[in-house]
Amino acid sequence: EAGVTQSPTHLIKTRGQQATLRCSPISGHTSVYWYQQALGLGLQFLLWYDEGEERNRGNFPPRFSGRQFPNYSSELNVNALELEDSALYLCASSSRNQPQHFGDGTRLSIL
Amino acid sequence: KQEVTQIPAALSVPEGENLVLNCSFTDSAIYNLQWFRQDPGKGLTSLLLIQSSQREQTSGRLNASLDKSSGRSTLYIAASQPGDSATYLCAVSSSASKIIFGSGTRLSIRP
Repeated sequence: EAGVTQSPTHLIKTRGQQATLRCSPISGHTSVYWYQQALGLGLQFLLWYDEGEERNRGNFPPRFSGRQFPNYSSELNVNALELEDSALYLCASSSRNQPQHFGDGTRLSIL
Repeated sequence: KQEVTQIPAALSVPEGENLVLNCSFTDSAIYNLQWFRQDPGKGLTSLLLIQSSQREQTSGRLNASLDKSSGRSTLYIAASQPGDSATYLCAVSSSASKIIFGSGTRLSIRP
């Protein structure tokens, strides 16, 4: 069974640009979660999508957004990139009330 | 506001020893608690999930306990091996969507 896959592995952008990160959940999982792990900080919850709808979001500004497609894959979009957006972005998927399974992450570097 | 604390921040033990990692949380109204391991450059691997109605879960050499009334969980690793070296994260869900992570315990097993 294929796990959660994220692309790209590494993304380099400059301040003010926009970044798009992608996540494919495990087959059969309808929920996708996004997390940010910035250097020196713990994992922070960003967004939760389930059945195509945004169900909850963490304490992040509106320039962090995303969507979930009919096949349950998901995109995370970050607009107007700032230096402090440099982090590892992790995606996880799950079925209802089941453990989350994580991808290997996308490392976003802002120059 | 839920806060999750893990002590110690780092731990080094010789191979073969049994060890305990600690996690504490401030709000006992939790949905579930998960233990993860994070290997350098990789995403998270879910180890054990304890629902709020459960007191412990076991998987192989791992045993996790949950005491909601005292706001504590422990992860017990029996007969430690060098391959167990990783960062171990405790995460508490206060709803079906949000997870609050501890800062982790960096475990090193000396051969």
